[in-house]
Amino acid sequence: DTEVTQTPKHLVMGMTNKKSLKCEQHMGHRAMYWYKQKAKKPPELMFVYSYEKLSINESVPSRFSPECPNSSLLNLHLHALQPEDSALYLCASSQDLTGYNEQFFGPGTRLTVL
Amino acid sequence: GQQLNQSPQSMFIQEGEDVSMNCTSSSIFNTWLWYKQDPGEGPVLLIALYKAGELTSNGRLTAQFGITRKDSFLNISASIPSDVGIYFCAGRDGNKLVFGAGTILRVKS
Repeated sequence: DTEVTQTPKHLVMGMTNKKSLKCEQHMGHRAMYWYKQKAKKPPELMFVYSYEKLSINESVPSRFSPECPNSSLLNLHLHALQPEDSALYLCASSQDLTGYNEQFFGPGTRLTVL
Repeated sequence: GQQLNQSPQSMFIQEGEDVSMNCTSSSIFNTWLWYKQDPGEGPVLLIALYKAGELTSNGRLTAQFGITRKDSFLNISASIPSDVGIYFCAGRDGNKLVFGAGTILRVKS
């Protein structure tokens, strides 16, 4: 299984809502990532987890809250978002943070904030 | 931080033609990756390069890791309509990937 899955595929939320994005991988990878991507732009790194611990936070606003409940799952909790947060949110995983670090991406969640 | 210059920004080519795109950097990378992204989907890893001078193929795709470690190119031979998409290069910078701005490929059938 070389797949990273993400749910939901699409999400529309108001600025006062609380929602969560979910990501799952069964490749035995110990590093997982959240990226934000605007249209026709490259992915921008948000968070990196290594062995279920937060390793990198790229100065992301606190309205985005990541969680790694176990080695296969990664969540992104959303609260009080702004319309400019509308984007494709991508999850990725890699074997770990050492070695060759090939990252495999999920299909993404298209988020629209109204 | 490090930046990658990816060119061309976009290409519009005839089906059957060969395509070439490249990335350059002012800094050294130890790993180069090439991804393709279709509309509404996540990037898919095409080729990974680990050694300076390495030339790697994946079907009609060929990529090379520049000898100076500051550049990489991707060639697509005999393009077909499904090659349409955005191609990103990425270099490994510590625990992060640095992405190029992408090359939009459009194929005229």
